[in-house]
Amino acid sequence: AQTVTQSQPEMSVQEAETVTLSCTYDTSENNYYLFWYKQPPSRQMILVIRQEAYKQQNATENRFSVNFQKAAKSFSLKISDSQLGDTAMYFCAFPKIKAAGNKLTFGGGTRVLVKP
Amino acid sequence: EPEVTQTPSHQVTQMGQEVILRCVPISNHLYFYWYRQILGQKVEFLVSFYNNEISEKSEIFDDQFSVERPDGSNFTLKIRSTKLEDSAMYFCASSEQGTEQFFGPGTRLTVL
Repeated sequence: AQTVTQSQPEMSVQEAETVTLSCTYDTSENNYYLFWYKQPPSRQMILVIRQEAYKQQNATENRFSVNFQKAAKSFSLKISDSQLGDTAMYFCAFPKIKAAGNKLTFGGGTRVLVKP
Repeated sequence: EPEVTQTPSHQVTQMGQEVILRCVPISNHLYFYWYRQILGQKVEFLVSFYNNEISEKSEIFDDQFSVERPDGSNFTLKIRSTKLEDSAMYFCASSEQGTEQFFGPGTRLTVL
């Protein structure tokens, strides 16, 4: 069974500073995708960033970037220049590879609080 | 920008009643999903749907649950006889190619 582990239940960061969220996963697959989703207090799930395992270059999306270590099965998210609107739960997600479906397995989430 | 929509945003029902949660996926997407999130817990997969049939379902998705795509645009989740433990946020998601999934805003289901 696939597992996704987020070891930090909660983190706080000062506005404009940087915070890094960790995620580890377990899989026997070689080609796959990894995702980070943001869930603000409204509880909507918003896709933040994705990483394709066959790409060595780490994905970047504006202030969000990942550090993908395939051998270590680690997929951390860095939020730079944190803004108050970044306050949310962040979930790492990993799809089960299947011909049609690719259900996502989510980690337990990390609550990020950005302080003014 | 196209988005997944869900109705209602909040549904309150009595235990034992049937509920239907509705979703309109992004129009050119081919893969559809339902997930749920009990308050304070992680998001859990319920079912995936492709080519007009269920492609995978979790152990949560028992005989009380069913999904349907009745008219080519809507995607519904029916719970036949709700239990207290069905109270959760239910998310619909869709995907064009089965990789990136885009989520709707969720339906909060409260079973009394």
